[in-house]
Amino acid sequence: KQEVTQIPAALSVPEGENLVLNCSFTDSAIYNLQWFRQDPGKGLTSLLLIQSSQREQTSGRLNASLDKSSGRSTLYIAASQPGDSATYLCAVDSGGYQKVTFGTGTKLQVIP
Amino acid sequence: GAVVSQHPSRVICKSGTSVKIECRSLDFQATTMFWYRQFPKQSLMLMATSNEGSKATYEQGVEKDKFLINHASLTLSTLTVTSAHPEDSSFYICSARAWRHSYNEQFFGPGTRLTVL
Repeated sequence: KQEVTQIPAALSVPEGENLVLNCSFTDSAIYNLQWFRQDPGKGLTSLLLIQSSQREQTSGRLNASLDKSSGRSTLYIAASQPGDSATYLCAVDSGGYQKVTFGTGTKLQVIP
Repeated sequence: GAVVSQHPSRVICKSGTSVKIECRSLDFQATTMFWYRQFPKQSLMLMATSNEGSKATYEQGVEKDKFLINHASLTLSTLTVTSAHPEDSSFYICSARAWRHSYNEQFFGPGTRLTVL
């Protein structure tokens, strides 16, 4: 059974700081891993998706890496802004007809 | 491409009533859809896997008589919360698999917020 954990559960940083969010998973047989952003009371916004054959993906100030062998992924946010404040979820897709397992989430607050 | 919609986006109902939530794949066919639930300040948990033309597969602890799932076509799955109670208030999200750029991915709907008074 896949278990996905995110550390830290909450993070507060001053504006402009670079930061790293961590995601770990127990079963390395994954199809892909996706990072989402969720604003309070809202749905999921897909940020980056890394296929199992890839090592990283980049979009603007965001960079996500994947190390299947160690069961870890990181989301790097450069030059953080108050608008980045949200909960970040990583989700591990086991492929086939299987479900996506979501992590516990990291609530990020960027202080102006 | 690969857009999943949900209707309604928000619903408020009285305790004891039934509520139906629709999940549609707009530009692709989905033989399998998934229903997730999110309690306040918690992550998303899979409730059930909806299979077109057959019975849904429920996760342990999810009452199948409480949460009725019907996947009547390749583009529509419905979740009916029967005799809703305040503890059923939650955020419900569906997803469907589709091929994009040679990869099979899950695409998520925008979610439905259910409030039971």
